[in-house]
Amino acid sequence: DVKVTQSSRYLVKRTGEKVFLECVQDMDHENMFWYRQDPGLGLRLIYFSYDVKMKEKGDIPEGYSVSREKKERFSLILESASTNQTSMYLCASSWGRQADQPQHFGDGTRLSIL
Amino acid sequence: GEDVEQSLFLSVREGDSSVINCTYTDSSSTYLYWYKQEPGAGLQLLTYIFSNMDMKQDQRLTVLLNKKDKHLSLRIADTQTGDSAIYFCAEDSSNTGKLIFGQGTTLQVKP
Repeated sequence: DVKVTQSSRYLVKRTGEKVFLECVQDMDHENMFWYRQDPGLGLRLIYFSYDVKMKEKGDIPEGYSVSREKKERFSLILESASTNQTSMYLCASSWGRQADQPQHFGDGTRLSIL
Repeated sequence: GEDVEQSLFLSVREGDSSVINCTYTDSSSTYLYWYKQEPGAGLQLLTYIFSNMDMKQDQRLTVLLNKKDKHLSLRIADTQTGDSAIYFCAEDSSNTGKLIFGQGTTLQVKP
């Protein structure tokens, strides 16, 4: 079974802090994704990556950056956390870009910015 | 642009059938997915259907696809309290590996 592990289930940080959310997958997947989930808005794509050292902006990249130094690890960085970044963050991974490759999700990190 | 729409809430009684509906806009989508999210957890893939199929059945789950109307539905037979969750519909985005998700439908199952 595919395992996608997010480093923290719950995280509380202060406004202005630099925040790192880590995600690791164990299936040698090429693609990795970061989403945020807010009630009534579904999942919105922040950033994604098709390979090591590659990154692509999703629909809402402002205020975020990412790092993919190794294939199995994809980090989401909040450069200067703000209260409107309080949300549930979900990481996912998948094989190639073919349409029949579903995404597999971690359990999520619930981030609160005070 | 691409868009996926779902109603936000559905309430059923235990033992009844549940039908969750979804509409999408990208006619080039080749696969459509249903994910389930239980409270406090990530998304779990339930099933998916290839766009040249009309129906797919998997135990209590039946997926119906109407390509002409761009309408997808998930039917859960004999709904149980353990089926209470948020259900997301998603379409692939033109063979990019990206998925476009709907807002999610919260299914409440009353005993």
